[in-house]
Amino acid sequence: AQSVTQLGSHVSVSEGALVLLRCNYSSSVPPYLFWYVQYPNQGLQLLLKYTTGATLVKGINGFEAEFKKSETSFHLTKPSAHMSDAAEYFCAVRVNNAGNMLTFGGGTRLMVKP
Amino acid sequence: NAGVTQTPKFRILKIGQSMTLQCAQDMNHNYMYWYRQDPGMGLKLIYYSVGAGITDKGEVPNGYNVSRSTTEDFPLRLELAAPSQTSVYFCASRGRQNTFEKLFFGSGTQLSVL
Repeated sequence: AQSVTQLGSHVSVSEGALVLLRCNYSSSVPPYLFWYVQYPNQGLQLLLKYTTGATLVKGINGFEAEFKKSETSFHLTKPSAHMSDAAEYFCAVRVNNAGNMLTFGGGTRLMVKP
Repeated sequence: NAGVTQTPKFRILKIGQSMTLQCAQDMNHNYMYWYRQDPGMGLKLIYYSVGAGITDKGEVPNGYNVSRSTTEDFPLRLELAAPSQTSVYFCASRGRQNTFEKLFFGSGTQLSVL
């Protein structure tokens, strides 16, 4: 069975600073990996995904993530935080043999200070 | 295009009461999902459906029931509400050809059981 661990339930950065949200997964088969963002009182929106191919994937709003198989990680980064990035971020994993199930991490709430 | 519509947005139940959370999508999606979101726990899959007439259990199905009589609707039933079911519930859908790249979420139902 696959699982996802997000280190740090809350992360606080200053506006303009680097954003780093950590995600580690466990999976016995090659995973598909996703980052979703949830703004207050809304459902989740897809930020970016990794399926196969290039391990550095770029998403919306300047976010990117790198799949590192050796470290079983898929950390989310953004060079310069903006106030509008304040939200909750979820890492998720799906494996080919899991059919229709997506497993989510516990989420990381990003706070951006002016 | 309304997307995924959930009703109600908020509800307070007494222990032992029953209710149905409604979910409807107008995108002709085959796959529909119910998740619950608890603080720090991420999203947990309750039930899902791969098409009309077909449903299956997710990670945390106990205390819930679902039905899928039409492609559009996927209601979630709580028969005997318990405080442990206090949570935010999200419905989501996707088309057959999309993995989870286009997983559309509703805006959620906040349920309190007192």
